[in-house]
Amino acid sequence: GAVVSQHPSRVICKSGTSVKIECRSLDFQATTMFWYRQFPKQSLMLMATSNEGSKATYEQGVEKDKFLINHASLTLSTLTVTSAHPEDSSFYICSATGLGYTFGSGTRLTVV
Amino acid sequence: SQQGEEDPQALSIQEGENATMNCSYKTSINNLQWYRQNSGRGLVHLILIRSNEREKHSGRLRVTLDTSKKSSSLLITASRAADTASYFCATDPFGAGGTSYGKLTFGQGTILTVHP
Repeated sequence: GAVVSQHPSRVICKSGTSVKIECRSLDFQATTMFWYRQFPKQSLMLMATSNEGSKATYEQGVEKDKFLINHASLTLSTLTVTSAHPEDSSFYICSATGLGYTFGSGTRLTVV
Repeated sequence: SQQGEEDPQALSIQEGENATMNCSYKTSINNLQWYRQNSGRGLVHLILIRSNEREKHSGRLRVTLDTSKKSSSLLITASRAADTASYFCATDPFGAGGTSYGKLTFGQGTILTVHP
């Protein structure tokens, strides 16, 4: 079946630094991937749609300059949280549609 | 924006009992899905029901969909302690034929606790 690999699974970074999260489709090509964010005890909120070879589409209220998305190949999308602050601490999860809806295992970001 | 609402927000039952969770949504859909999430972990896809389906079964899971009421329910029969998790519904307005295929809107979730 379709597999989406997401790394790292957990990261702790200092306030002001940048963190990159990778999302790879392992056995299928994904022209579109999605990035979600989940705060503790809350639901998943779509942040942006990552489009291979073009600019990402961001949901209302999501700062595109803070959450940089790059989808340079058909199997890889990256989310970079720039100048991270404690309020960016969250669970980030990507998804892609190959043989269905496939989610990565998520990344727990803690900004200290 | 989140459009789905689920109730109850939390459900606590004994092992062997049935658990029913409900989900409501606001816009038209191509399909509705249910996911499970164990604490701090990724999502597990449970079941997908299309807008032209009314009921679907998978093992101990039974999902119903009422598009006229824009609502769905998930029934877990003979619950086990291992079913303890958060359960989310998610809707896809377009499905595979749409340009936004895969763009899901999640409900608020139900936290299910099954006591052994």
